[in-house]
Amino acid sequence: QQQVKQSPQSLIVQKGGISIINCAYENTAFDYFPWYQQFPGKGPALLIAIRPDVSEKKEGRFTISFNKSAKQFSLHIMDSQPGDSATYFCAASPGTGNQFYFGTGTSLTVIP
Amino acid sequence: ETGVTQTPRHLVMGMTNKKSLKCEQHLGHNAMYWYKQSAKKPLELMFVYNFKEQTENNSVPSRFSPECPNSSHLFLHLHTLQPEDSALYLCASSQGTPRSGGIDEQYFGPGTRLTVT
Repeated sequence: QQQVKQSPQSLIVQKGGISIINCAYENTAFDYFPWYQQFPGKGPALLIAIRPDVSEKKEGRFTISFNKSAKQFSLHIMDSQPGDSATYFCAASPGTGNQFYFGTGTSLTVIP
Repeated sequence: ETGVTQTPRHLVMGMTNKKSLKCEQHLGHNAMYWYKQSAKKPLELMFVYNFKEQTENNSVPSRFSPECPNSSHLFLHLHTLQPEDSALYLCASSQGTPRSGGIDEQYFGPGTRLTVT
């Protein structure tokens, strides 16, 4: 059973546009929601993360929006750049320990 | 550079071969992980070692055999693999639990692209 569902599978955005990737979960024990960015030939790297006690977290052009009641969270990339082209994974964790559940990934292409 | 290195980066092996993947972390971490990454699938956690002790084995077939001789090195020994085992194998490390508590953020290596012919 897939613990975290991610959409879309792929996304093409014009330079300067907003990229939006969505994730949903069922397990209410999840308490930590990170996003990872993976470039070709590289491993995933932590991009930004949120706890459910806040509804939004912003770091530069990257924002996580969190809806606890709907059990959904999303990544928004503002002013998308070609250098943002990568695969993005959402994940969820119970908040302690080292167990992470990953989404299936979204391949983002930003067109110049 | 993430501080986690993996060798080889690419590996092609026949179904009857025996090979090993190597992971080394330079971050002073105490936990190490093996993940399998296949296209259009979530990352699959295979094995976890905390302080050199295996604490997780997610029903991985016996043709995959991990080894953790110390906190800095992790191996994945492969034998009689199947074509469906072709994937990107990622190693990760973290501070380790339960001593650190809280979120135990993981740092990934670049992976080994494995092709089984």
